[in-house]
Amino acid sequence: GENVEQHPSTLSVQEGDSAVIKCTYSDSASNYFPWYKQELGKGPQLIIDIRSNVGEKKDQRIAVTLNKTAKHFSLHITETQPEDSAVYFCAASRTGTASKLTFGTGTRLQVTL
Amino acid sequence: EAQVTQNPRYLITVTGKKLTVTCSQNMNHEYMSWYRQDPGLGLRQIYYSMNVEVTDKGDVPEGYKVSRKEKRNFPLILESPSPNQTSLYFCASSPRGDGEQFFGPGTRLTVL
Repeated sequence: GENVEQHPSTLSVQEGDSAVIKCTYSDSASNYFPWYKQELGKGPQLIIDIRSNVGEKKDQRIAVTLNKTAKHFSLHITETQPEDSAVYFCAASRTGTASKLTFGTGTRLQVTL
Repeated sequence: EAQVTQNPRYLITVTGKKLTVTCSQNMNHEYMSWYRQDPGLGLRQIYYSMNVEVTDKGDVPEGYKVSRKEKRNFPLILESPSPNQTSLYFCASSPRGDGEQFFGPGTRLTVL
């Protein structure tokens, strides 16, 4: 089955700096890679996703890059703000099989003033 | 308001006492799923359902049961809870199963 590794487990940045979270996956057939943000006491919420037919996707201060050859994808947050403080999860699945979404172990991001 | 609801939000119980955690969505989604979240392990899928009367095991199904008799409801049943099932549980739904999943607020379960 799929295995997703996520690093780092904790990340502290100063407000305004950039944050990068990295994930690797094992199943070369995986082609859907979402990122979820979990705020304290809440369920995860999708913030951005990417499919294997593109190498990069951007939405305002958030971007995701995908390297299918290396089986590696990353989340980039620029100009971090205190409200970006949360736990971030990467995940991977095969579209078509749909249901089997495998998550990474999470990164706790702390944005300090 | 479109949402996924779970009940109860918090539950403390004892080993062996059967319990059910309910999950309901009002978005007419076909796909629903249960996850457990444990420190250092992320979210792990327990069971999922692609539609009414269609369920399948996720990565950690042992000790759990589910049913999908109606499209909107997907209860999680622990027939004989054990302390290793102490965890934070999330229900999620999706229009298909492919794409964004919408998560409920979570149920924190403690089994003594």
